[in-house]
Amino acid sequence: EADIYQTPRYLVIGTGKKITLECSQTMGHDKMYWYQQDPGMELHLIHYSYGVNSTEKGDLSSESTVSRIRTEHFPLTLESARPSHTSQYLCASSETGFHNSPLHFGNGTRLTVT
Amino acid sequence: GQQVMQIPQYQHVQEGEDFTTYCNSSTTLSNIQWYKQRPGGHPVFLIQLVKSGEVKKQKRLTFQFGEAKKNSSLHITATQTTDVGTYFCAGLRGGGSNYKLTFGKGTLLTVNP
Repeated sequence: EADIYQTPRYLVIGTGKKITLECSQTMGHDKMYWYQQDPGMELHLIHYSYGVNSTEKGDLSSESTVSRIRTEHFPLTLESARPSHTSQYLCASSETGFHNSPLHFGNGTRLTVT
Repeated sequence: GQQVMQIPQYQHVQEGEDFTTYCNSSTTLSNIQWYKQRPGGHPVFLIQLVKSGEVKKQKRLTFQFGEAKKNSSLHITATQTTDVGTYFCAGLRGGGSNYKLTFGKGTLLTVNP
């Protein structure tokens, strides 16, 4: 069973607020990812990291930012939330050094911006 | 851009019927991974196929990787209500230290008991 945790599970917040979605994994994986997924829709990669102090933007442009100060922690921040940010955000990690290792996903954060 | 196409988008079956979802890439893949996402849940890794023409089975699920490593399929025999969910394929392409995993749009399977 993968040990990757996301908090909060659900978040309802007003427009303009700053939010941080937390993601932590205890598997020692160097690679971590953030995906955005609308209900029943495809997964869009918005950020990824291949290690500490390494962050890259994904395929889908996002106003969010990420940081990777510790191996186990990969938080995502929205400086000013908007209704268009309403979505599910999924964090994932994969094993170090194996380019074809599978992704382990967290339970996700369902964000609603009112 | 490079994409992984997955069809059908939706499939509704009666319990006991078979189900197949197909995944196609315009370029050769290093490997293909399959994930299942239950309604309200998160994607869970099912299997990975690496070799040309590879076939793997997990109970009632059969996974195939094409000879050209550009297409793949997932077949479920005699579906059960527990099979409900969205099935995603994800193709890995690239080389050296630069690999990219691209997800298909998924196939939502619903099963009528």
